[in-house]
Amino acid sequence: GEDVEQSLFLSVREGDSSVINCTYTDSSSTYLYWYKQEPGAGLQLLTYIFSNMDMKQDQRLTVLLNKKDKHLSLRIADTQTGDSAIYFCAERTGTASKLTFGTGTRLQVTL
Amino acid sequence: DAGVIQSPRHEVTEMGQEVTLRCKPISGHNSLFWYRQTMMRGLELLIYFNNNVPIDDSGMPEDRFSAKMPNASFSTLKIQPSEPRDSAVYFCASSLGSAPQGYTFGSGTRLTVV
Repeated sequence: GEDVEQSLFLSVREGDSSVINCTYTDSSSTYLYWYKQEPGAGLQLLTYIFSNMDMKQDQRLTVLLNKKDKHLSLRIADTQTGDSAIYFCAERTGTASKLTFGTGTRLQVTL
Repeated sequence: DAGVIQSPRHEVTEMGQEVTLRCKPISGHNSLFWYRQTMMRGLELLIYFNNNVPIDDSGMPEDRFSAKMPNASFSTLKIQPSEPRDSAVYFCASSLGSAPQGYTFGSGTRLTVV
């Protein structure tokens, strides 16, 4: 079955890099996603990666995918206080429309 | 596009009352999802529809919960009767089938049952 796991909390200093990790169990994942949830808001898509890719970079965001180990990470360079939020990873398997979400990692950025 | 629109944004109701949450998906999207988020249980999928047809309602907690999608542009989630433990933020999301962009979420309805 599908299972997606994340650590619950990460604290970093402003200006440092943040790395949020995610592991999943389903080897038939086709796309993997990172969503950001700010306080009082819905989840917002940050980026996604196709399962045959190893890396995707988008400005300050770098996604790394290790398909062998079923490990996904999101690196945020030069972390800012506005990056404080909950970050969810999610996977899609096959052609299903449904995504399976992780538990979310709360990122706290300190001055 | 205005995105996924949910109403109301906040709802406070007394235990035992009926509550109806509403969702308008993005035009052209054919999949719609209802989620519940709480501190204790995180994000839970309640039910989802493809082309207005319920596909998986295994996440609906009890018979007190029901969801409908009478047409492609509207869905409701109803709780009758409501209980304090139903207090949560309820999100609606929509997507275009298996398009790689995934879901677009609404801003949620914060439900408080007193």
